[in-house]
Amino acid sequence: DTGVSQDPRHKITKRGQNVTFRCDPISEHNRLYWYRQTLGQGPEFLTYFQNEAQLEKSRLLSDRFSAERPKGSFSTLEIQRTEQGDSAMYLCASSPGLAYTDTQYFGPGTRLTVL
Amino acid sequence: EDQVTQSPEALRLQEGESSSLNCSYTVSGLRGLFWYRQDPGKGPEFLFTLYSAGEEKEKERLKATLTKKESFLHITAPKPEDSATYLCAVQASPRSNDYKLSFGAGTTVTVRA
Repeated sequence: DTGVSQDPRHKITKRGQNVTFRCDPISEHNRLYWYRQTLGQGPEFLTYFQNEAQLEKSRLLSDRFSAERPKGSFSTLEIQRTEQGDSAMYLCASSPGLAYTDTQYFGPGTRLTVL
Repeated sequence: EDQVTQSPEALRLQEGESSSLNCSYTVSGLRGLFWYRQDPGKGPEFLFTLYSAGEEKEKERLKATLTKKESFLHITAPKPEDSATYLCAVQASPRSNDYKLSFGAGTTVTVRA
């Protein structure tokens, strides 16, 4: 079990550019989550997938954000026309998908800096 | 809306000086309360899940407890390697497909040798 992996670990971009992040969940985990964390705060939920279906999106997820999980495996999070306020750590988590409650395991995160 | 408040914001301890962190929560219905540890620049690392009032779980020098309104993380005889930010999160149950975690801002613990 290699854990959740994220790529890249760090991304520096200029305002207005598009960026895409990738997350590879723990194998056989059905649920995949994206969170955003700013300095001094806890992670904030963005969206989650049950297999390939995107089941919930936060109000924080503006139209500039889009996420996909083709074939229920890895996931990508794209931010279009980045703004300085998008600078944050983007965390991915996966869970086995148990019926009632199940534990989410986090990846190392992608640190985004928008200049 | 689910609310999670952690206190204190920061805690400085001497090695061996036991203490407790508090997590108070307001949810429509609790599926589970989670504790994570986060080191600087890294993702949260899972510690415990608590499901019902009165439940307790232990791992090495850490012990988590749960009541109907709050959870405590007790650190017994801490060592410098216990220095980290400890995050509390709740998973509520207003809908059957709602599994998102709502986090508090965390308590940053520093243990001095």
